[in-house]
Amino acid sequence: NAGVTQTPKFQVLKTGQSMTLQCAQDMNHEYMSWYRQDPGMGLRLIHYSVGAGITDQGEVPNGYNVSRSTTEDFPLRLLSAAPSQTSVYFCASSYWRGANLNTEAFFGQGTRLTVV
Amino acid sequence: AQKVTQAQTEISVVEKEDVTLDCVYETRDTTYYLFWYKQPPSGELVFLIRRNSFDEQNEISGRYSWNFQKSTSSFNFTITASQVVDSAVYFCALSEARRGGYQKVTFGTGTKLQVIP
Repeated sequence: NAGVTQTPKFQVLKTGQSMTLQCAQDMNHEYMSWYRQDPGMGLRLIHYSVGAGITDQGEVPNGYNVSRSTTEDFPLRLLSAAPSQTSVYFCASSYWRGANLNTEAFFGQGTRLTVV
Repeated sequence: AQKVTQAQTEISVVEKEDVTLDCVYETRDTTYYLFWYKQPPSGELVFLIRRNSFDEQNEISGRYSWNFQKSTSSFNFTITASQVVDSAVYFCALSEARRGGYQKVTFGTGTKLQVIP
């Protein structure tokens, strides 16, 4: 199994450009999420999805859009990139095991985005 | 609101020393989950352990051990006989526990551990 796959690994954008960060998982997990990692701030939740067709906002959603048309894919769109969106982005997937047992999140390798 | 505090920003130890990484959490939930993740210099996030709030038994896995104390809201991580390969940023995380739906995970800011040969 490939697990969680993110593409690209590195990206440089100019202010105002748009782009989509791709995330795919092959574990049939219901839950998928996007985090951004900034120095000294840990990981902060951007958007998440509890299943195909269902998405919701996390802690820092402004400037980002998501969609979940399939269980496998959860792309993150930057509509008009800003320098404040320079960060490392992680996609994660997880599932509910039932009987009050949450599982750990499986993370992708990360996308390092620089907006100039 | 959930909060995870990792007060140690950076720690340096000499190889073979023991080191403890502190994690203090806040939550109003009575049932929750605690996690530790490792982020080596290569950047990926590696799951280390999950602990349920109703299981306070300490856990040992090789050189790694975890001390969960609900009375002090702490979930500390100890590496025994540290090695250079342990050099990484370690994140403590807290997850609410709701049947169905998304369980929000709150991460601490991480502790950077440097093991000096």
